[in-house]
Amino acid sequence: QSVLTQPPSVSGAPGQRVTISCTGSSSNLGAGYAVHWYQQLPAAAPKLLIYGNHNRPLGVPARFSASKSGTSASLAITGLQAEDEADYYCQSYDTSLSYSRVFGGGTKLTVL
Amino acid sequence: QVQLVQSGAEMKKPGASVKVSCKASGYTFTDYFIHWVRQAPGQGLEWMGWINPNSGATNSPQRFRGTVTMTRGTSISTAYMELSRLTSDDTAIYYCARESEDEAFDLWGPGTMVTVSS
Repeated sequence: QSVLTQPPSVSGAPGQRVTISCTGSSSNLGAGYAVHWYQQLPAAAPKLLIYGNHNRPLGVPARFSASKSGTSASLAITGLQAEDEADYYCQSYDTSLSYSRVFGGGTKLTVL
Repeated sequence: QVQLVQSGAEMKKPGASVKVSCKASGYTFTDYFIHWVRQAPGQGLEWMGWINPNSGATNSPQRFRGTVTMTRGTSISTAYMELSRLTSDDTAIYYCARESEDEAFDLWGPGTMVTVSS
């Protein structure tokens, strides 16, 4: 059971818009800690997609955007492309128990 | 070129230990924390802990205390993660990742596959 909750899977047709949610609690997102998003293509290491709730690193297309409010965050992908098919993870800081960094369980995006 | 290069795949027997290395290049090693994250086959990402390459201080979740040891060699810009008392549940890809000033993992190693089998 992950500290941050994501849907196991989402899907969309090319060109469509999809969103991936990330739900936390008062010990992580609700406490004001930033959320970061990672994309993991098949058989590859994760790659930073969004940092600090909504910022894109250099080279990440503007099709990827994210937001955070209270104990929830979401990642949006517009103009879906076949190359976007991957696993997506949210990550934040948590103060409960001895946790420090926590990940969501991951969401598999399928491009139909 | 800014990168993290990890050691090669390992196969170990239950009860043994494994030590994975992560060599940084292209930036000042001691300026950024290094984290370790693992991914069991078909599973999600699991955070294992961090090391401050400057001071050598470490932190890890309770479940890994006593089995995970993180060290570094500053002269060779390399971080190490040793996992002891291996079981089949430790079969996973082990990644090292650099933590940016924004506390995101902005640079990842390619991963090291560790297989635990009798």
